[in-house]
Amino acid sequence: QVQLVQSGAEVKKPGASVKVSCKASGYSFTSYYIHWVRQAPGQGLDWMGIINPSAGSANYAQMFQGRLTMTMDTSTSTVYMELNSLRSEDTAVYYCARESVGAGWFDPWGQGTLVTVSS
Amino acid sequence: QSALTQPASVSGSPGQSITISCTGTNSDVGGYKYVSWYQQHPGEAPKLIIYEVSNRPSGVSNRFSGSKSGNTATLTISGLQAEDEADYYCCSYRTSNQYVFGTGTTVTVL
Repeated sequence: QVQLVQSGAEVKKPGASVKVSCKASGYSFTSYYIHWVRQAPGQGLDWMGIINPSAGSANYAQMFQGRLTMTMDTSTSTVYMELNSLRSEDTAVYYCARESVGAGWFDPWGQGTLVTVSS
Repeated sequence: QSALTQPASVSGSPGQSITISCTGTNSDVGGYKYVSWYQQHPGEAPKLIIYEVSNRPSGVSNRFSGSKSGNTATLTISGLQAEDEADYYCCSYRTSNQYVFGTGTTVTVL
């Protein structure tokens, strides 16, 4: 079945970087986009950006420009999300989610990865 | 980027119908058919329940329905059940290959 499995929880200090992985299985990896969405504790969902595994191109939300990088490894069907210059406000659960090209909706989602930023 | 506006909470008794609004602009909700809705239970990942304004994925109850008028999309839950108690988020495509979520609505079954 289609599945997105994310890497485990991380604890980082302010100013550090974090890299979260999202491994896809059960479908043709390069035929679907992957989005990243985050959710701070007790808060709503924030769209972070999208990567096209076929083209290797990415587009990021304005609020993350300059701090966010999305990459992928087609040999392992894995997408990565790296966020730099972490601050306490980046403490959140980070989700990856699949989009059928041009569909405009996200399904399925990964299980989420908690990133805690604390000194 | 400003989020789409949803009511913070909506409640209803079992069997009743409730609606959740999602208001944006003509650069997102009003300009595209790409409005989707997600249900999220505590501690779980969001789950797609409506796509392209009014379509239901296979396996989603027909008690969930969606519509749109102008810059406002609406999710309706009919025959409210205890299991519907969750957070609900709308999402829309926004100009320049961006997406934006709503502020989220907590549904309480009385």
